[in-house]
Amino acid sequence: RKEVEQDPGPFNVPEGATVAFNCTYSNSASQSFFWYRQDCRKEPKLLMSVYSSGNEDGRFTAQLNRASQYISLLIRDSKLSDSATYLCVVNFWNQAGTALIFGKGTTLSVSS
Amino acid sequence: GAGVSQSPSNKVTEKGKDVELRCDPISGHTALYWYRQSLGQGLEFLIYFQGNSAPDKSGLPSDRFSAERTGGSVSTLTIQRTQQEDSAVYLCASSSRQSSYGYTFGSGTRLTVV
Repeated sequence: RKEVEQDPGPFNVPEGATVAFNCTYSNSASQSFFWYRQDCRKEPKLLMSVYSSGNEDGRFTAQLNRASQYISLLIRDSKLSDSATYLCVVNFWNQAGTALIFGKGTTLSVSS
Repeated sequence: GAGVSQSPSNKVTEKGKDVELRCDPISGHTALYWYRQSLGQGLEFLIYFQGNSAPDKSGLPSDRFSAERTGGSVSTLTIQRTQQEDSAVYLCASSSRQSSYGYTFGSGTRLTVV
């Protein structure tokens, strides 16, 4: 059972392009949602939380659709430095507690 | 400390040997998590500690894997009788509460079993 699914890509876009990543999750009881960024051979770093009302941070916009169990990340005006793997992350409840479950990531490559 | 610290950063071990990986979480963070990431793969949840509660061990792949957290701070992940498929980057993360606030990751321990 795949708990968090993402299109692995790669997405190859030119500088200045707008690109969107999608993610679906299986656990309808999930309550926390995030996008993380992971550079090659580095640890993941929190990019932004995702709120039900949608939220924006500069060129990045995140959306959540609870009914469809779907999360998205939109990047506008792509920069070379945006090249990385973007991880969709959802919390997952079990009997012992909670942990964040990570998707396998979508790779973005921005070229000049 | 200012961030999550893991040691060693790299470890090469012979098949069948035991290894210990260490994680120092951010001071004051009550939740600590271990994940592993194989080459080109996503993050696989291993184990989760929250305060003094019993850890969530549901992600440990076999009984060769164990972890402890002493005094609610430092954690050690132990892999006994290592196998080649154990080769991966082992990442530790901590958070100030449960998963609702996102995690801060350490830079990981790259384990290679030869």
